[in-house]
Amino acid sequence: GAVVSQHPSWVICKSGTSVKIECRSLDFQATTMFWYRQFPKQSLMLMATSNEGSKATYEQGVEKDKFLINHASLTLSTLTVTSAHPEDSSFYICSARQPYSNQPQHFGDGTRLSIL
Amino acid sequence: ILNVEQSPQSLHVQEGDSTNFTCSFPSSNFYALHWYRWETAKSPEALFVMTLNGDEKKKGRISATLNTKEGYSYLYIKGSQPEDSATYLCAFNTGNQFYFGTGTSLTVIP
Repeated sequence: GAVVSQHPSWVICKSGTSVKIECRSLDFQATTMFWYRQFPKQSLMLMATSNEGSKATYEQGVEKDKFLINHASLTLSTLTVTSAHPEDSSFYICSARQPYSNQPQHFGDGTRLSIL
Repeated sequence: ILNVEQSPQSLHVQEGDSTNFTCSFPSSNFYALHWYRWETAKSPEALFVMTLNGDEKKKGRISATLNTKEGYSYLYIKGSQPEDSATYLCAFNTGNQFYFGTGTSLTVIP
């Protein structure tokens, strides 16, 4: 089946560091990728929709300058958490699918980000 | 933001018991309803995609039903096994966006 690879799986870094997370679709072309964040005991919250070759669409309340998204190719989207602070510590997970399709999303394994 | 609710939030059952849980979603802007199983340290795995009112889908001991008019879907697990322990997520698909519920955490006790 379709596979989405997310890297790294766990990051621990100092406050002020920028962290890049990669999301790759390994066996299909993903025109659309999604970035989610999950707080403990809460639902997956959509942060932004990443569209290949165009700017990402951010959800209300998500800082564009804080969470930089780049979808430069049909198989790769990146999320960069800039100048990360402890409140950015969370679980980030990406997914990919074809738009306007009833096919399920295919998820990466997620990235656990811990900012000291 | 669309509201997708799942209940119960968590569930403990004995091995061999059958169980079910609910996903409630808006009855408008419906495109599809997805169920995922999310095991610890793994990525969510798609179980079912349901699109038509009255749909029933089955995969082994797991089945799901859909009522788009009243906005709910049930997931059933027959004869629960320890390997069924996971968080079960539903996602409401408007065609352009997915809205996830908070999940039902199932623990099957051997």
